[in-house]
Amino acid sequence: DAGVTQSPTHLIKTRGQHVTLRCSPISGHKSVSWYQQVLGQGPQFIFQYYEKEERGRGNFPDRFSARQFPNYSSELNVNALLLGDSALYLCASSSGRGNEQYFGPGTRLTVT
Amino acid sequence: AQTVTQSQPEMSVQEAETVTLSCTYDTSESNYYLFWYKQPPSRQMILVIRQEAYKQQNATENRFSVNFQKAAKSFSLKISDSQLGDTAMYFCPGRPTGANSKLTFGKGITLSVRP
Repeated sequence: DAGVTQSPTHLIKTRGQHVTLRCSPISGHKSVSWYQQVLGQGPQFIFQYYEKEERGRGNFPDRFSARQFPNYSSELNVNALLLGDSALYLCASSSGRGNEQYFGPGTRLTVT
Repeated sequence: AQTVTQSQPEMSVQEAETVTLSCTYDTSESNYYLFWYKQPPSRQMILVIRQEAYKQQNATENRFSVNFQKAAKSFSLKISDSQLGDTAMYFCPGRPTGANSKLTFGKGITLSVRP
């Protein structure tokens, strides 16, 4: 079975630009969560979606938004990029019934 | 709110030996899940083992076992017969048992296995 997939793998953007990151969960998983991991730190929770509804939001500015589609894939959008948004963005999927979260390989975003 | 503390930033172990990684998880929730994930240099986060707080039996998964002391808020990971492929950063996030709850991570421990 395919694991969680994310695209793109790497991305370089300029300050002020917009970026869209994509995630496809494991087949049968209905919950997707997004995390930001700055180099040398643990991941920080950004959003969680279940059955296309937002179920949780971390302490991130309104420049960050997300959505989940009918096929349970998800997009994370970041507007007006700042240098501090440079990080590894991780997507995790779960069945949504209190089970483990399985992570994708991440998207490495560099803002210059 | 939950707080995860991993106070040892780095550890090193000789191949084939045993190492224990420490973690504390502080929460007001009465029931929760705890996990250990490893993140090798590829940065893919891989689930190692899971522990349910209401279970008294400590989880075991092949060479990996946990020692969960609920009252002490302690959740350590023991790796037996360490292998070079165990070299990675290790995280011990936790979350309440409610559906769709988020994982709270600490800063992680960098483990190096020496040949």
